[in-house]
Amino acid sequence: AQTVTQSQPEMSVQEAETVTLSCTYDTSESDYYLFWYKQPPSRQMILVIRQEAYKQQNATENRFSVNFQKAAKSFSLKISDSQLGDAAMYFCAYRSLNSGGSNYKLTFGKGTLLTVNP
Amino acid sequence: ETGVTQTPRHLVMGMTNKKSLKCEQHLGHNAMYWYKQSAKKPLELMFVYNFKEQTENNSVPSRFSPECPNSSHLFLHLHTLQPEDSALYLCASSLRVNTEAFFGQGTRLTVV
Repeated sequence: AQTVTQSQPEMSVQEAETVTLSCTYDTSESDYYLFWYKQPPSRQMILVIRQEAYKQQNATENRFSVNFQKAAKSFSLKISDSQLGDAAMYFCAYRSLNSGGSNYKLTFGKGTLLTVNP
Repeated sequence: ETGVTQTPRHLVMGMTNKKSLKCEQHLGHNAMYWYKQSAKKPLELMFVYNFKEQTENNSVPSRFSPECPNSSHLFLHLHTLQPEDSALYLCASSLRVNTEAFFGQGTRLTVV
């Protein structure tokens, strides 16, 4: 079974600075997706960024980028030029690409609460 | 706004009550999910529906009963819940079962 670990329960960053959130995962599969979701106080989980495991290039979405290290099973999220609106709970998630079994399941980490200080 | 709408946003119910949570999406997605989010625990997948058919029941107690009348609507019927069932219940949908999920805002359920 896949597991996702976020070792930082809480992080804080000054506005306009850069912060990196850590995520590691365990899987025996070679094809999968990795995601970062953001959950602000409004509670809606919002997809931030997605990475396909077969792609070597790290995904980037505006101020958000990932450092995907497949061999190390590491998938960290870097937020540049942090804004007050970035304050939220961030979840790392894994999804298999293999057919059958539990491929429907998004396996989530426990989350990292990010505080942005003005 | 992700296009997935859940009602109600908040629900308080007694242990003998029967209530239902509703989820609706008009994104043309074929898969819908119920997740439970409890404090200090990872999100737990409860049920998966793919083209209206239940494809996964993640060992959920029978006091939770899902219903998917069509690909756009998903319900979670609640009956004789326990206080430990208090949590945020999130609905999600995806185009296919192995694509990214879009979540609703959740229903904050409190069982008293």
